[in-house]
Amino acid sequence: SQELEQSPQSLIVQEGKNLTINCTSSKTLYGLYWYKQKYGEGLIFLMMLQKGGEEKSHEKITAKLDEKKQQSSLHITASQPSHAGIYLCGALRANSGYALNFGKGTSLLVTP
Amino acid sequence: SAVISQKPSRDICQRGTSLTIQCQVDSQVTMMFWYRQQPGQSLTLIATANQGSEATYESGFVIDKFPISRPNLTFSTLTVSNMSPEDSSIYLCSAQTSSGSYEQYFGPGTRLTVT
Repeated sequence: SQELEQSPQSLIVQEGKNLTINCTSSKTLYGLYWYKQKYGEGLIFLMMLQKGGEEKSHEKITAKLDEKKQQSSLHITASQPSHAGIYLCGALRANSGYALNFGKGTSLLVTP
Repeated sequence: SAVISQKPSRDICQRGTSLTIQCQVDSQVTMMFWYRQQPGQSLTLIATANQGSEATYESGFVIDKFPISRPNLTFSTLTVSNMSPEDSSIYLCSAQTSSGSYEQYFGPGTRLTVT
């Protein structure tokens, strides 16, 4: 079965700093999703990447997909307290009708 | 995009009882899924809710314990039956839009505590 490893597990950054979260898959990626979860709440869809080399941005968050490395990175520029939460990557499963496997998440805290 | 609501948002239930969670999407969607998120853990897929037919369950999840219905393209229910404290989790439904973009959206979750 596919495993997704996220790094780092947790991150504390000062407001205004940039940061990167990585998600590495043990198998070929057919689609990679990034979500943000506030503690104990539902998942907020950030973006989805499908093609190798694809890069998408939403406000100050940019995600890239490196298909050959089976890896995606999420980059936040000039972090703000509103960016705090748990970031989860999810990968399309090859043979289960578009359900997702998830990584364990990266907990982000942004300090003033 | 799709907006998904879930009811109830949280509940505290006694051991041995059952709870039905409802998931409503504001537009017709192709795929709907149910996930479980145990405390401090990531999401685990329970089943795919198929419209008009039986749900497809993941290994470790069975229909008798987690019966699922999906009567139409916007609504699904998950029942957690004969509950035990180990069933205490957040239960989330998700949906993939029909637009061909493969975007998947999640509901706000149902926080279940079994005493």
